[in-house]
Amino acid sequence: DAKTTQPPSMDCAEGRAANLPCNHSTISGNEYVYWYRQIHSQGPQYIIHGLKNNETNEMASLIITEDRKSSTLILPHATLRDTAVYYCIVNKKNAGNMLTFGGGTRLMVKP
Amino acid sequence: NAGVTQTPKFQVLKTGQSMTLQCAQDMNHEYMSWYRQDPGMGLRLIHYSVGAGITDQGEVPNGYNVSRSTTEDFPLRLLSAAPSQTSVYFCASSDWDRGNSPLHFGNGTRLTVT
Repeated sequence: DAKTTQPPSMDCAEGRAANLPCNHSTISGNEYVYWYRQIHSQGPQYIIHGLKNNETNEMASLIITEDRKSSTLILPHATLRDTAVYYCIVNKKNAGNMLTFGGGTRLMVKP
Repeated sequence: NAGVTQTPKFQVLKTGQSMTLQCAQDMNHEYMSWYRQDPGMGLRLIHYSVGAGITDQGEVPNGYNVSRSTTEDFPLRLLSAAPSQTSVYFCASSDWDRGNSPLHFGNGTRLTVT
């Protein structure tokens, strides 16, 4: 699986958009980009995933660059409850979801 | 639906003791897996299963055994616990037939080996 690079930590003001970047320059054509988050040692929670088109759901938006070498997770109106570690992962479609979690980005939402 | 249920939530073992961490899911998912998470680190895959009767090793399988006799259950066994196995253990499942379906995680078992 392609490796990902994320900043170790970020701050965001409550109510503002949180933009979390991820580099995956060695991603291959059949690999999806997934985002998960982990709040205070709970089990990781799925957020969103995409292949090459931008995606949006009730939690977030995912912007993937045209060359697919990087992506950005956007939380449009961050709240204190969004404080968590966010993991960006790439995975082949038929790899059995054997996801490899790196260090992630620790997002701190501040009042 | 309960989703993925892990028991116990907390466990303390002495070196050399054995125990089984339980994981059950009620979503009829074919794929199940076990991860461990050490302080300040990401998750590392221990074992996984793509269906009843089928298991395989992940990144860090040593010291752990698994079996998959039913679709619902995927227990993780520590035969002789060691302090290096002190960690938080997460079980996860997903719909194998949909190759890009997301993982659903349990809330973890916090294990301390003294």
